[in-house]
Amino acid sequence: AQSVTQLGSHVSVSEGALVLLRCNYSSSVPPYLFWYVQYPNQGLQLLLKYTTGATLVKGINGFEAEFKKSETSFHLTKPSAHMSDAAEYFCAVSYNDMRFGAGTRLTVKP
Amino acid sequence: GAVVSQHPSWVICKSGTSVKIECRSLDFQATTMFWYRQFPKQSLMLMATSNEGSKATYEQGVEKDKFLINHASLTLSTLTVTSAHPEDSSFYICSALPIRAGGYHEQFFGPGTRLTVL
Repeated sequence: AQSVTQLGSHVSVSEGALVLLRCNYSSSVPPYLFWYVQYPNQGLQLLLKYTTGATLVKGINGFEAEFKKSETSFHLTKPSAHMSDAAEYFCAVSYNDMRFGAGTRLTVKP
Repeated sequence: GAVVSQHPSWVICKSGTSVKIECRSLDFQATTMFWYRQFPKQSLMLMATSNEGSKATYEQGVEKDKFLINHASLTLSTLTVTSAHPEDSSFYICSALPIRAGGYHEQFFGPGTRLTVL
């Protein structure tokens, strides 16, 4: 069975500050891990994914995430937050099907 | 590439009526499609896994007689909400898994359908 846990349902940062959204996973097989962003009343947009190979994954809009097997984590970071980053972020783990975390709402203060 | 569409994007219906939502993979074939439901300010919950040419597999707690799924071709799956009630109002999102020899299991998501039952 697979699952993900997102720590913090709501994260608030100032514009220009570091963004850190936490995700821990549980999987009995090598995981495929994803981060998605969702804007209000819209579908999911893939930010980045880890399948195999390099553990530091770079995605769109300046986001990156590092797969740490020893910590069973896949935290999402961005060095400098922008107002347009305000959205809901979902971590997901996939093998035969995809399971989502509860989501983290990111607020960016001017 | 890897575009998934949903139709309609939003629908309002009266309680007791049925609503059909289509999910299409536009530029690839998918033997497997998934249906998710998302209530306001909540995460996506997998409702069912749809395999082309066979019966869908429903998650625990999802009524198969209420949420009818048909996956008649490699590019189309439909979800019919039968006898809809206000509590069925939600955002329904589909995804499709491309036919791929080996490799990882990335699903491609549709834009979602907002269902409001009055």
